[in-house]
Amino acid sequence: DTEVTQTPKHLVMGMTNKKSLKCEQHMGHRAMYWYKQKAKKPPELMFVYSYEKLSINESVPSRFSPECPNSSLLNLHLHALQPEDSALYLCASSQGLTALNQPQHFGDGTRLSIL
Amino acid sequence: GENVEQHPSTLSVQEGDSAVIKCTYSDSASNYFPWYKQELGKGPQLIIDIRSNVGEKKDQRIAVTLNKTAKHFSLHITETQPEDSAVYFCAQKGYSTLTFGKGTMLLVSP
Repeated sequence: DTEVTQTPKHLVMGMTNKKSLKCEQHMGHRAMYWYKQKAKKPPELMFVYSYEKLSINESVPSRFSPECPNSSLLNLHLHALQPEDSALYLCASSQGLTALNQPQHFGDGTRLSIL
Repeated sequence: GENVEQHPSTLSVQEGDSAVIKCTYSDSASNYFPWYKQELGKGPQLIIDIRSNVGEKKDQRIAVTLNKTAKHFSLHITETQPEDSAVYFCAQKGYSTLTFGKGTMLLVSP
């Protein structure tokens, strides 16, 4: 079982809907990540939070809005998404953003479908 | 910029055979090289990693080798089993974030 928990596992939404993806970890990690993964491709980094502050935004469209309410939780708020945003959204955590040689641990993702 | 090339893209082996996946990186500052296994419907799972001051690491049937001079690292799986079938990603970490290879789909036939 993964130590990073993501909900929901599946989400279908229309282009005008607003929804949120949630991620939780209890490993005491201070860095948390959102990735987008299309079929047969590697994960693509979207956002990185370090000590609950946004450290990296990989030029992600504003229809994706991340939030880190506390050191254990990470949300991704979705609004006015496009069909090409359909993908697997992965959350990951690590001990620290620049901590040497520390692995990232991934959740099982939310499978998002935009109608 | 950082780049990781991974080969092959698909690898089919018979149960009991060995499998080798190779990656090449470009960033000399890279110091950490994890390997992930992703099964259908799951997130990537860390299976083994290696630090830049180590040449080889082994964990049961899985081993990773690193050649810093040539900037390449490899995953070796011995005595493959059908449950090893999955997509495998190599990655490298420089200062902060991971850069992934494009993945290798490993198929182990009984």
